[in-house]
Amino acid sequence: DAGITQSPRHKVTETGTPVTLRCHQTENHRYMYWYRQDPGHGLRLIHYSYGVKDTDKGEVSDGYSVSRSKTEDFLLTLESATSSQTSVYFCAISPGQGSYEQYFGPGTRLTVT
Amino acid sequence: GQSLEQPSEVTAVEGAIVQINCTYQTSGFYGLSWYQQHDGGAPTFLSYNALDGLEETGRFSSFLSRSDSYGYLLLQELQMKDSASYFCATLSGGYQKVTFGIGTKLQVIP
Repeated sequence: DAGITQSPRHKVTETGTPVTLRCHQTENHRYMYWYRQDPGHGLRLIHYSYGVKDTDKGEVSDGYSVSRSKTEDFLLTLESATSSQTSVYFCAISPGQGSYEQYFGPGTRLTVT
Repeated sequence: GQSLEQPSEVTAVEGAIVQINCTYQTSGFYGLSWYQQHDGGAPTFLSYNALDGLEETGRFSSFLSRSDSYGYLLLQELQMKDSASYFCATLSGGYQKVTFGIGTKLQVIP
């Protein structure tokens, strides 16, 4: 299995509070992604990164920001959590360079009350 | 923009063959991937097609027709453990942007 971890694995927070989710990889892969998964919507891309300090928005980026200061870490921040951001969040990595597989982390279940 | 369509649910009998279709509209299309996800788990990669035709990996095969913007995943000799959700996903853009379909929940029955 690819070395990818997410923390925390579960979190309950209150509306209006900031939340940061962490994705950590030990594979030295170039590409990193944040998705959210909700019933009836599948996996939707929030933000992705194609290198250190290089990030771009996905289809559901409003209310989220990301940072990647090191190859191995990709942080997702909910600036002011809302109940609509209750979801399961998955991080994924991909090596690029002709390889198109994405390897997913175990996921973080976030509940905003 | 990007959009993918796949059936929401499929039921098939153990030992049988099932085909899950996927149609897409993707600008800057590079290829089509398939992922499997068991309930409560993370998605895992199954296959990738960049060129037209059939790719076979054990009991699973994946097909792509770029001219028809269409692909499918074929599962043979179905086993109970194949009960899961299957997602098609398109790869596009210069930085490997991936867009997923909503997933097809496959139920294998005895």
